[in-house]
Amino acid sequence: DAGVIQSPRHEVTEMGQEVTLRCKPISGHDYLFWYRQTMMRGLELLIYFNNNVPIDDSGMPEDRFSAKMPNASFSTLKIQPSEPRDSAVYFCASSLNSYEQYFGPGTRLTVT
Amino acid sequence: KQEVTQIPAALSVPEGENLVLNCSFTDSAIYNLQWFRQDPGKGLTSLLLIQSSQREQTSGRLNASLDKSSGRSTLYIAASQPGDSATYLCAGGPSGSARQLTFGSGTQLTVLP
Repeated sequence: DAGVIQSPRHEVTEMGQEVTLRCKPISGHDYLFWYRQTMMRGLELLIYFNNNVPIDDSGMPEDRFSAKMPNASFSTLKIQPSEPRDSAVYFCASSLNSYEQYFGPGTRLTVT
Repeated sequence: KQEVTQIPAALSVPEGENLVLNCSFTDSAIYNLQWFRQDPGKGLTSLLLIQSSQREQTSGRLNASLDKSSGRSTLYIAASQPGDSATYLCAGGPSGSARQLTFGSGTQLTVLP
């Protein structure tokens, strides 16, 4: 398996623009997690899905953030409108039965 | 709510030394404890997973232990090498109804040649 795939790897955008991050989990995994990493706050969970259903979105910072998982092999995290404070590395991870989690390479987002 | 702490925040050792990284957590009901390595500007690589029924796991020069009663885990690195230089993160979870990992802030390790 190719592991968790994320795209794009780097994204630079201007404040106010819409940003969409994409994730393909490992085939067969039933849990998908979106994390954000910053120097100030470390790694924090934004939202996670089980069998494509959002289970806990309490970590989503604001209504500007939304996430979807239309099928078992694809998820998106959207920020609209983006702000400079959203600049961070966004990681997607997947697991089977929520045990060992496998992380993607991350998307480094810079909002100017 | 689970809280995970890692001490020290940074550690510098000469090549060849054996070292221990510490991780403590508040909720002893965790299902597992996972150790990761993160190189600068890179993603997280899973090193070891200790499930709640286990006390330790070993992979090569790495050994991780878990003591749920004291809320502690340690990562032991034997015969350290410059290539071991990275940030090491421990993460506890799932616990209770929460399925996500709760991360510590990491220990930045530098192994000097």
